[in-house]
Amino acid sequence: DSGVTQTPKHLITATGQRVTLRCSPRSGDLSVYWYQQSLDQGLQFLIQYYNGEERAKGNILERFSAQQFPDLHSELNLSSLELGDSALYFCASSVVGGRAGDTQYFGPGTRLTVL
Amino acid sequence: GQQVMQIPQYQHVQEGEDFTTYCNSSTTLSNIQWYKQRPGGHPVFLIQLVKSGEVKKQKRLTFQFGEAKKNSSLHITATQTTDVGTYFCAGWSRASYDKVIFGPGTSLSVIP
Repeated sequence: DSGVTQTPKHLITATGQRVTLRCSPRSGDLSVYWYQQSLDQGLQFLIQYYNGEERAKGNILERFSAQQFPDLHSELNLSSLELGDSALYFCASSVVGGRAGDTQYFGPGTRLTVL
Repeated sequence: GQQVMQIPQYQHVQEGEDFTTYCNSSTTLSNIQWYKQRPGGHPVFLIQLVKSGEVKKQKRLTFQFGEAKKNSSLHITATQTTDVGTYFCAGWSRASYDKVIFGPGTSLSVIP
């Protein structure tokens, strides 16, 4: 158990819908990262937040957005869903998220299925 | 933009054989990390390498960072069925504006 929690574990929805994925980082960690992992694919970095502020942006679609709240939990919002958005979405947290490269602790993931 | 490649993509070995995966970056890295993801699981941090030419060992696992800090390798001696999973390297560099770039991973299967 990494200490990072993600809800829900599974999500099934239809094309065109909007969903919200939630992540609670490890106690004391200030940075949250979001990744997308499609079937048999690697980890695609989406976005990073540090202490409530956006820190780095990866290949995140305009239909996707995220935020980190004052209590440091984070939400990833996916809208106008398409079949291709079906994937495993991981959240990870790290102590600082500085440029030296903190260790990232990954949550169990949310499996999103778009029908 | 910066790319991180890994070879091979898949590797099937007989239990007891050695295994090596290679990670190559198109740009110089500040540091590199290795993660392991078991089937159905989430990535778990294994190790971080920072210095040019650095070599670190964890039991049967040996990690190496290239002299030019553009490549790295993970070598497993005498594989066991518990080594099954996908091994990812992840690098940071100024060229990627300090965003972490994960390699596509090497999936290891161990035949008992």
